[in-house]
Amino acid sequence: KNEVEQSPQNLTAQEGEFITINCSYSVGISALHWLQQHPGGGIVSLFMLSSGKKKHGRLIATINIQEKHSSLHITASHPRDSAVYICAVPPTVFGKGTKLTVNP
Amino acid sequence: DADVTQTPRNRITKTGKRIMLECSQTKGHDRMYWYRQDPGLGLRLIYYSFDVKDINKGEISDGYSVSRQAQAKFSLSLESAIPNQTALYFCATSDGTGETQYFGPGTRLLVL
Repeated sequence: KNEVEQSPQNLTAQEGEFITINCSYSVGISALHWLQQHPGGGIVSLFMLSSGKKKHGRLIATINIQEKHSSLHITASHPRDSAVYICAVPPTVFGKGTKLTVNP
Repeated sequence: DADVTQTPRNRITKTGKRIMLECSQTKGHDRMYWYRQDPGLGLRLIYYSFDVKDINKGEISDGYSVSRQAQAKFSLSLESAIPNQTALYFCATSDGTGETQYFGPGTRLLVL
């Protein structure tokens, strides 16, 4: 059974800080996803990764298939980045999420 | 307009009542999913459908049923609601296994 573990569970940062959220998974996968859940509850997909690195604005996601590990980085964090970030192997495996709070 | 919509957005019901949560999508995707989210837990799959004639149980299907009325519509029913079904319910769609999922806004359900 595949599982994903995220760390940290909670993260508080000051505006402008560089943020890293980690995700480890237990078995081989074809792709790993990063999702963002807004404080109001809505969920959006940020990245789908099968290898290497992807970048979208201030967000960067990397994956190391051999080590079964992925990271989500946020550069120059902003209060609007405050959300829960979820790594997932859809449709069946979702991490518990990392709650990020960015203070002004 | 949103690509994936859910109705109702909030619902309070009593133990033993039958309720239906509805999901509609304009993405044109064949694959639709129902999840529940509880505090401190990840999303858990209740049911999924790969096309109108295909319905599959997920990890936690007991106490739930679904209906795929059309490619665009996928409904979740609680036959006899119980308090531990209080949760946030999400519908999602995708165009393939492992592909990007598109989530509805969620339905907050409280069973008293």
